[in-house]
Amino acid sequence: KQEVTQIPAALSVPEGENLVLNCSFTDSAIYNLQWFRQDPGKGLTSLLLIQSSQREQTSGRLNASLDKSSGRSTLYIAASQPGDSATYLCAVTPGAQKLVFGQGTRLTINP
Amino acid sequence: GAGVSQTPSNKVTEKGKYVELRCDPISGHTALYWYRQSLGQGPEFLIYFQGTGAADDSGLPNDRFFAVRPEGSVSTLKIQRTERGDSAVYLCASSPTRRGVVGNEQFFGPGTRLTVL
Repeated sequence: KQEVTQIPAALSVPEGENLVLNCSFTDSAIYNLQWFRQDPGKGLTSLLLIQSSQREQTSGRLNASLDKSSGRSTLYIAASQPGDSATYLCAVTPGAQKLVFGQGTRLTINP
Repeated sequence: GAGVSQTPSNKVTEKGKYVELRCDPISGHTALYWYRQSLGQGPEFLIYFQGTGAADDSGLPNDRFFAVRPEGSVSTLKIQRTERGDSAVYLCASSPTRRGVVGNEQFFGPGTRLTVL
């Protein structure tokens, strides 16, 4: 059974810092990995989608990497801003049409 | 264009009652998913529709939960004899997945927060 783990569960950093969020999964047989953002009381917003054949994806200040063989992904956020404060979730698509999510990392950027 | 919409945004009910939660996917998306998110946890898969049929309902916790998508667009998640443990946010997502293709990007709605008293 595929399990996804995110560390740390919560992170608080000063504005302007670069930071890394970690995601690990137990079964390397995945089709893709997605990173989502969730604001309190809101749904999920897709940030980046990395196909299994790719190593990384970039969007603005965000960069996500994927090492499928070791079962790891990282989300790098450059020059963090207070508006980046949210919960970040990673999810993998195993050999089925569904997402398996981690528990999320609650990020707080302090002005 | 319009995203995934869900109604109601909040639902409070009493233990033992029946509830229906509605999802309106992005126009043209053939695949629709339901997930359940408990407080402090990531979403958990419930059921996946491809068109009108439930292609994978392996995540439904028990037979009190049922979902339909009769015309291949709007879906309704139905919960009978609700229990306090059913309290959670129910999320719906859609994607332009086609049969035989795995792993298209999923787009999520804002969710329905269900509280069972």
